[in-house]
Order: sequence, then C-alpha cells, then structure tokens
Amino acid sequence: RKEVEQDPGPFNVPEGATVAFNCTYSNSASQSFFWYRQDCRKEPKLLMSVYSSGNEDGRFTAQLNRASQYISLLIRDSKLSDSATYLCVVRWGKLIFGQGTELSVKP
Amino acid sequence: DAGITQSPRHKVTETGTPVTLRCHQTENHRYMYWYRQDPGHGLRLIHYSYGVKDTDKGEVSDGYSVSRSKTEDFLLTLESATSSQTSVYFCAISEGTSNTEAFFGQGTRLTVV
Repeated sequence: RKEVEQDPGPFNVPEGATVAFNCTYSNSASQSFFWYRQDCRKEPKLLMSVYSSGNEDGRFTAQLNRASQYISLLIRDSKLSDSATYLCVVRWGKLIFGQGTELSVKP
Repeated sequence: DAGITQSPRHKVTETGTPVTLRCHQTENHRYMYWYRQDPGHGLRLIHYSYGVKDTDKGEVSDGYSVSRSKTEDFLLTLESATSSQTSVYFCAISEGTSNTEAFFGQGTRLTVV
C-alpha cells in the first residue's frame, strides 16, 4: 500500500463546476498536511496547508480527518486557470507525495 | 521565491557513467529532499537530509547516494547510471517545523542513453 494515495484522474470539468479531490495516508503519526499544485511538469508549488479544523482560501477549501486518515480539497467555481495537477502531501519527518490528480477545466 | 537552485538543469549521460546533481539553497533551511518524477508515479522520495551529514533513505533509494557536507548543498549521485534512472529530479527545502511549506527547485531533466 502506498503511503499517500490519490485518485489519479483525470478530472474533466466545465468552467464553474465544483470538484473535489481526496487523499488517504497510512501513517497515523503524520504531522503536517498540504495541497500542492503542479503545472506542466514545472516545480510543485504550495496551494494551501491543511489544518485540523479545516481551512478555506477563496474558492479552495481543505479538510482533514485524522481519525480516518483522510484529506480533501474542494474547488468551487472552477476556472480555466485551475487546470493543473494537484498533489496531496503528508509530512512525518520526511515529506511524502501522492501521485497527483490531474484536473482539466474546459470552457 | 525561495533561494534554491539545481544544477545542471539538463543532462544526457551514458549508461554506466557516474552522475552528480547539485541542489544549492540560500535559505538556511534544515531539511533538504531529492525526488524523482515519472509518468504515473508522481514525486517519489529518493533521499532526504535533516541536517549536515544527517541523511536517510526514501522509497526509491537504490542506485542513489547523497551527501550533505554543508547546510546549503545537497548532492545526489548516481554511481553508475542506468536507463531506468532517466527522469526529472526535483530538490526541495523545508524548515521542517509543522505546517511550514517546502520549496522546490526547477528540476533537472536527466536522460541516460
């Protein structure tokens, strides 16, 4: 079993749609959680950290469920510019990435 | 942008030759990481460092070694390159404390022929 697992997609959605990504992790001692975005094989960049109480940044909402070892990312009112690969990341000393979920937003 | 640079950015090498990739940071971050990225696999951790001369293996460490003799430099060495090591390699740095983000270099595209 992979340490961090994501649905690889691709997710193809129309502009304005709401899309949700899910991620599970295996190590219950995990300390920190993040969502990163990667465009066209460029370097990944932080989208948002994920806090235990859940957090929101504009159209993006992240949730963490420690009991189920589950992280989610919700994108509302999706834009063409949201097209990218979204990476779930978990830290317990080392930093482990999920394989990424590809999102394509169409006009 | 965080001060992190990878060199070289592109390299073509022959099977069996040694290759060293360099990651240099100006942020004085404690943690440094090497990943490889291949289609269908996402970013896989090769090795990481949590201080000078303190390193540990990741999930795909076979065929790779690392060294960190200074805070700012983390070297990844392929002792004898194989075609299966053709990949894009990313270096990352992090302070390592909870919820601090990791910053990535621009990547090195390595082709082993």
